[in-house]
Amino acid sequence: DTAVSQTPKYLVTQMGNDKSIKCEQNLGHDTMYWYKQDSKKFLKIMFSYNNKELIINETVPNRFSPKSPDKAHLNLHINSLELGDSAVYFCASSLRAAKNIQYFGAGTRLSVL
Amino acid sequence: AQKVTQAQTEISVVEKEDVTLDCVYETRDTTYYLFWYKQPPSGELVFLIRRNSFDEQNEISGRYSWNFQKSTSSFNFTITASQVVDSAVYFCALSEPQGAQKLVFGQGTRLTINP
Repeated sequence: DTAVSQTPKYLVTQMGNDKSIKCEQNLGHDTMYWYKQDSKKFLKIMFSYNNKELIINETVPNRFSPKSPDKAHLNLHINSLELGDSAVYFCASSLRAAKNIQYFGAGTRLSVL
Repeated sequence: AQKVTQAQTEISVVEKEDVTLDCVYETRDTTYYLFWYKQPPSGELVFLIRRNSFDEQNEISGRYSWNFQKSTSSFNFTITASQVVDSAVYFCALSEPQGAQKLVFGQGTRLTINP
C-alpha cells in the first residue's frame, strides 16, 4: 500500500522529446507538490496544487506543465526536454490543515541524453 | 525570504559514536514549521520530525533527538550510538504555516557511519 506513488521510477530519453511523470496519493490529502532534486542533491519546489487549484508556480520554464485531474493525482508533463532537465523529480502530498507534513514518493530519475 | 543552511556537507563517524547535524534557518515569519527528512541510499525521502516555532521543547525519539533554539535560529539533530543503517543524506527544511506551505530545504548533510 504505497502512500505516494510515482511512475515511472526511471526515465531515459533523448533531448527534444516530450515526457510525463505521474503521481498518485491514497492518503486522502488535499495538496500535492512537485520538487526537483539536482545532481548536488539540492531540493527545490516547482509546483503545488490544492484541491486541483495551482497555488505554487516557482520560476520553472513553461516547458513544464503540471496537471491535476483530481485531488489524488498530480502529473508533470515536460516538453522539448533539455540536458539540464536531468534530475530526480519528487512528488509529495499533505493535508493543508494538518500542519504541512509532506509525504514524498520514491522519486523519478530523469536522464536526458 | 526563507533560507536554511546546513553547513556540514559530509560527516563520517565510526559506529556507536554520537553525531550532531547542524541546521540554521532564516525567516521573517513569527510562526513557522521546521522539519527533518532522511534520504537513505535507496533514494526516497522519509519524514522524521516537524517542530512548531512556538514549541521550543527538545524532543527525543529512541536514538534521535532534536534541539530547537529560537534565539540562535537553529534546529539541530543528534543521533546517539549511531548505526550503519543511519547512513543517509539528512535534510533540514522550513515552511510557513499558512499560504502555500512550500518546504524550503537546506543543502543536506551526507552522513556515513562506518562499521
